Amino acid sequence: DAGITQSPRYKITETGRQVTLMCHQTWSHSYMFWYRQDLGHGLRLIYYSAAADITDKGEVPDGYVVSRSKTENFPLTLESATRSQTSVYFCASGRGGPYEQYFGPGTRLTVT
Amino acid sequence: AQSVTQLGSHVSVSEGALVLLRCNYSSSVPPYLFWYVQYPNQGLQLLLKYTTGATLVKGINGFEAEFKKSDTSFHLTKPSAHMSDAAEYFCAVSAQTSYDKVIFGPGTSLSVIP
Repeated sequence: DAGITQSPRYKITETGRQVTLMCHQTWSHSYMFWYRQDLGHGLRLIYYSAAADITDKGEVPDGYVVSRSKTENFPLTLESATRSQTSVYFCASGRGGPYEQYFGPGTRLTVT
Repeated sequence: AQSVTQLGSHVSVSEGALVLLRCNYSSSVPPYLFWYVQYPNQGLQLLLKYTTGATLVKGINGFEAEFKKSDTSFHLTKPSAHMSDAAEYFCAVSAQTSYDKVIFGPGTSLSVIP
């Protein structure tokens, strides 16, 4: 399928578990982003990547790890999930600069 | 540092009435400005953007926005609200000199009353 996809769409996990959220885009966009969306906070950038093997921290990176070995994939890992990481996570891709970002459908993560 | 404020976390309008969603930004360098819309249980999609040139920009679904440097605003308008416009709207800014990051505002939830 063309576009940007995220998996899983819904995930329930326990405190302390490792969780990986997947993101895949088919446009060969150089930039990819991970955001979390929480009520009252809007969208906050967790990590972003300008190209394969280049990643950088956003506003709220603590507790998260990313990698980008291939242009099309940008997984986000919660190394030891905490309840404060309960959120909706959005992946996005784009060409940077004045170009728009294209968002995936989101992953709703609940940490119990 | 860049920032975005959106006045009013929730706006209600009657069907057929004017929609006005406010956005103010701060940026030390010329910005790129965006409005995104999020429908329930979906990701964000671009409504319109300002990069350079004409300060009045038109987007999808009859929306438009005007970049006003004098009061650092980028308000979103639509002459006549439709029920399908009910959604969350986000204003966003990125700096032309550091376009890696886009800063999103907190969002405004638009309700349309029949």
